[in-house]
Amino acid sequence: QKEVEQNSGPLSVPEGAIASLNCTYSDRGSQSFFWYRQYSGKSPELIMSIYSNGDQEDGRFTAQLNKASQYVSLLIRDSQPSDSATYLCAVKIASGGSYIPTFGRGTSLIVHP
Amino acid sequence: EPEVTQTPSHQVTQMGQEVILRCVPISNHLYFYWYRQILGQKVEFLVSFYNNEISEKSEIFDDQFSVERPDGSNFTLKIRSTKLEDSAMYFCASRDNTGGALSEQYFGPGTRLTVT
Repeated sequence: QKEVEQNSGPLSVPEGAIASLNCTYSDRGSQSFFWYRQYSGKSPELIMSIYSNGDQEDGRFTAQLNKASQYVSLLIRDSQPSDSATYLCAVKIASGGSYIPTFGRGTSLIVHP
Repeated sequence: EPEVTQTPSHQVTQMGQEVILRCVPISNHLYFYWYRQILGQKVEFLVSFYNNEISEKSEIFDDQFSVERPDGSNFTLKIRSTKLEDSAMYFCASRDNTGGALSEQYFGPGTRLTVT
């Protein structure tokens, strides 16, 4: 069973701090990695995608990928209360010639004022 | 900004009844997906659809499920005989062909299905 693992949290950080969210995956052949934000009762919203080792930055968000360690992370700088949500790690896993998105259970982030 | 839409937002049905969930993907997208999320659990892939046929499906997508693109805009998920355990949020997603199989998917707002 090819898995995507996340700590369910909650991760609680003060406003203005850096929030660090982590994800590991089991399929070494995985090629693409995504972070989604999901507010309660809402659909997942794409935040970042990353395909190669290293860091990728977009505004306050930085995604980091280490394929050797099968590890992907999301850093949120200057965290705001509006960032409070569940963050889903998704990995596209090869299956029968196609790529199937496999989600982790998500990490709940609470940013308190 | 273009977005994926889904109807209805909430569907209540009795066990054993058929339901059809509807989605309108982003207009220039070519790949379509259905996911479900049982309350408090992770998002689970059901099926992907391209060029008028299923390209992948998960173990969840058994004979009770079917998908169809009846016209140029709608993409539907049918559950033939609903069970209590089908109660979940169902999300439709779509993507374009930019970047091939590795491009991002955009999700609709979801349909909450309640089977009583």
